[in-house]
Order: sequence, then structure tokens, then C-alpha cells
Amino acid sequence: NAGVTQTPKFRVLKTGQSMTLLCAQDMNHEYMYWYRQDPGMGLRLIHYSVGEGTTAKGEVPDGYNVSRLKKQNFLLGLESAAPSQTSVYFCASSYSGGPQHFGDGTRLSIL
Amino acid sequence: EDKVVQSPLSLVVHEGDTVTLNCSYEVTNFRSLLWYKQEKKAPTFLFMLTSSGIEKKSGRLSSILDKKELFSILNITATQTGDSAIYLCAVEAGRGGGATNKLIFGTGTLLAVQP
Repeated sequence: NAGVTQTPKFRVLKTGQSMTLLCAQDMNHEYMYWYRQDPGMGLRLIHYSVGEGTTAKGEVPDGYNVSRLKKQNFLLGLESAAPSQTSVYFCASSYSGGPQHFGDGTRLSIL
Repeated sequence: EDKVVQSPLSLVVHEGDTVTLNCSYEVTNFRSLLWYKQEKKAPTFLFMLTSSGIEKKSGRLSSILDKKELFSILNITATQTGDSAIYLCAVEAGRGGGATNKLIFGTGTLLAVQP
């Protein structure tokens, strides 16, 4: 089982550029999440989805958009990247009431 | 505001030592508390706790929850160098209606086990 797969693993962007991070899970989970992890801040929830076609804001949603067109995929978009969005991004998925399972992360640097 | 606080922030021990990691929380409508281990990449799930006083155990790791005092501990006995990692505590807090599984994470405890 692949579990939760994130692409790309690394990316460097210039300020103002846009990009999309892809998360795919093969566990048939209903719920999917995007987090960012910064030193001293822990994991913070950006957006999440409780099912195909639904999304909701988390703790730090500004500057990000998401889409869940297929149950197995959850996309995170940065429309106009800013240096403050330099971080490690993690995707996770779960069943209702179950533990979240995480991907290996995407390290994003914005110059 | 919901919050999860872990202590200590970091810890250095020698192989064979026993360690106790702490997690306290203040959240609205507590649902569950989870422990994760994070080495270089993905946090990996260790335990999910929902009931007070019931110890969960996996090998040398164990954890227990106290819902009255609002904390949990993670114990690791006979530590090995492979236990070196960041240990994350997270709490799921409900907002009424259906569960969303949204987690609030602590900042983690960095454990270093020296040979």
C-alpha cells in the first residue's frame, strides 16, 4: 500500500509564482487535510475536506486554496506565493473517528 | 482558545533509560488525544486515547490519558537510538454536529537517545 503520497517532494518558487501540491491516498478515506509545519509552531491545519466535493478552512487558510474533485485526491494551491509560505507541507487522511495518516511532506521554499 | 502544550521541549537520554513525555490540553468538547512519532518525514501514528485511566501499550511504548486533569503521558522504557525523534501530541476537539477529526497539535518533544 502506498498510503498517502505527496508530490512534489521539494520545490523552490519565486515570490508571486503559483503552484499546486498534490495529495493522493489509496485507503478510501473520507477525510483529508493539509497542514504546514514550521519550527517552533507545530503542525497547523490549513484546509480540510470531509468528503468529495467539500472543503473547509482550518486554522491558517489565508493565501491557500484547495479542491477535492475526486475522493482520493486533495489539491493545495498557492495563487501568489509569498516568503511567509516557506514551510514543510503535510497531507493527511483518515476515516471518521480514526487516526490521521500522513504523507512524507513537501518542502517548499519561496525566494 | 484551544491549546495543546508538550513538555519538555527536548530531552537527551542514554540507551536503556526510561523517559516520560507530557502533554496537557485545554480544548472545547474533547473527543480524543493522539500521539505521533516524527523522524525525518511523515508523522507516524502511535496511540489514540479516548478514555481516562486505560493504558495503551505497544512494545516498549505506553500511554495513558487523564481527562479530569487534562493531560496524557507517553512512556518509553529501555530506550534505543531508534527512538530518537520528535514526539507529537494532538487533540481532536469537536465543534458540535458531526466529527471532523480536526487535530490541534502541540509543538512536540525532541528526544535524542545517545548510545
